[in-house]
Amino acid sequence: GENVEQHPSTLSVQEGDSAVIKCTYSDSASNYFPWYKQELGKRPQLIIDIRSNVGEKKDQRIAVTLNKTAKHFSLHITETQPEDSAVYFCAAGRGSARQLTFGSGTQLTVLP
Amino acid sequence: DTAVSQTPKYLVTQMGNDKSIKCEQNLGHDTMYWYKQDSKKFLKIMFSYNNKELIINETVPNRFSPKSPDKAHLNLHINSLELGDSAVYFCASSQVGAANEKLFFGSGTQLSVL
Repeated sequence: GENVEQHPSTLSVQEGDSAVIKCTYSDSASNYFPWYKQELGKRPQLIIDIRSNVGEKKDQRIAVTLNKTAKHFSLHITETQPEDSAVYFCAAGRGSARQLTFGSGTQLTVLP
Repeated sequence: DTAVSQTPKYLVTQMGNDKSIKCEQNLGHDTMYWYKQDSKKFLKIMFSYNNKELIINETVPNRFSPKSPDKAHLNLHINSLELGDSAVYFCASSQVGAANEKLFFGSGTQLSVL
């Protein structure tokens, strides 16, 4: 089955700096890679996703990059703000959300 | 008009009891899921139902029994609760096969077994 590893487990940055979270996956057939943000006591919410026919996708301050050859993908947050503080999860799946395997999460803290 | 809603939000109960968690989605999706999030925040799929049929059943004790009366509802019944069942349980839904399929989570049920 799929195995997703996520690093780092905790990340602290100063407000305005960039944050990068990295994930690797094992199943070369995986082609759907979403990222979720979970604030304390709340549900995981999809913030961006990428499918394997593209290498990069941006949405305002958030971007995701995918390297299928190396089987890794990353989340980039620029100009971080205190409200970006949350746990971020990567996930990988074959073509759909039906059987996603999640990474172990990254606690991001943005210091004012 | 929450897209995926589940009740109750908190559930505190004694070991050995039987309890249920209800989930409803109004997104018109054909697939619903149950995920378990443990104390280390690790998210793991438990079950998946497509149009009321079970399609994914991960290695979950058979004390856990999902029931889908229709494609908008997926309930989770847990028998003989154990301390290790304490976790947050998330319902979710998606439209499998959609060009831009996405997974939407409910607000979670914090289950505490004493």
